[in-house]
Amino acid sequence: QVQLQESGPGLVKPSQTLSLTCTVSGDSISSDPYYWSWIRQSAGKALEWIGRISSDGRTNYSPSLKSRVTISADTSKNQFSLKLTSVTASDTAVYYCARLLILSAYPRFFDPWGQGTLVTVSS
Amino acid sequence: QSVLTQPPSVSAAPGQKVTISCSGSSSNIGSNYVCWYQQLPGTAPKLLIYENNRRPSGIPDRFSGSKSGTSATLDITGLQTGDEADYYCGTWDTRLSALFGGGTKLTVL
Repeated sequence: QVQLQESGPGLVKPSQTLSLTCTVSGDSISSDPYYWSWIRQSAGKALEWIGRISSDGRTNYSPSLKSRVTISADTSKNQFSLKLTSVTASDTAVYYCARLLILSAYPRFFDPWGQGTLVTVSS
Repeated sequence: QSVLTQPPSVSAAPGQKVTISCSGSSSNIGSNYVCWYQQLPGTAPKLLIYENNRRPSGIPDRFSGSKSGTSATLDITGLQTGDEADYYCGTWDTRLSALFGGGTKLTVL
């Protein structure tokens, strides 16, 4: 059974960098045909896709966050990470990591999801 | 505001059927698969329907999905109190960026 677990600081100061890690068990982040994604959910409940990283390290980011986001992977630890720079209060959200299936170059679905971690941006 | 439009809320009595709609455009739903996710209170979203109408293992056949043109629907029959949750549709745009609907809160009266 594949499981994902987010970890990282729950409080980040404005203008600083948000850093989160997702630890994967039950599957290898190097395995095809999966990508590994970050998704967030604000208190207003909308889900927002942040970006993804492939098994060979290729990344794609949401156009609205691209200038501030970096997703990377550490295959030795079976983890992938999110960095979001210059955060503001609007970045306060529950951050989820999730596995994404891509077949024939088309994404199919996110499954499973981690339990999520709340990150609050406040001084 | 989400690119995919869902009704904010729907409600029905136990045992009845409810339909949740998801409206998009030719550049997203019209050209990509649609998924549906169920988010029970205080939990992470869970895959309910993928590739428009397919159910993952373990999802009851009370849940069904369909897609026509630039819209998709999720039907839930035989409603149970345990179905009370937020439901989100999801798809991709032409750049294969993921998109989600604003979510629909289901109340089982």
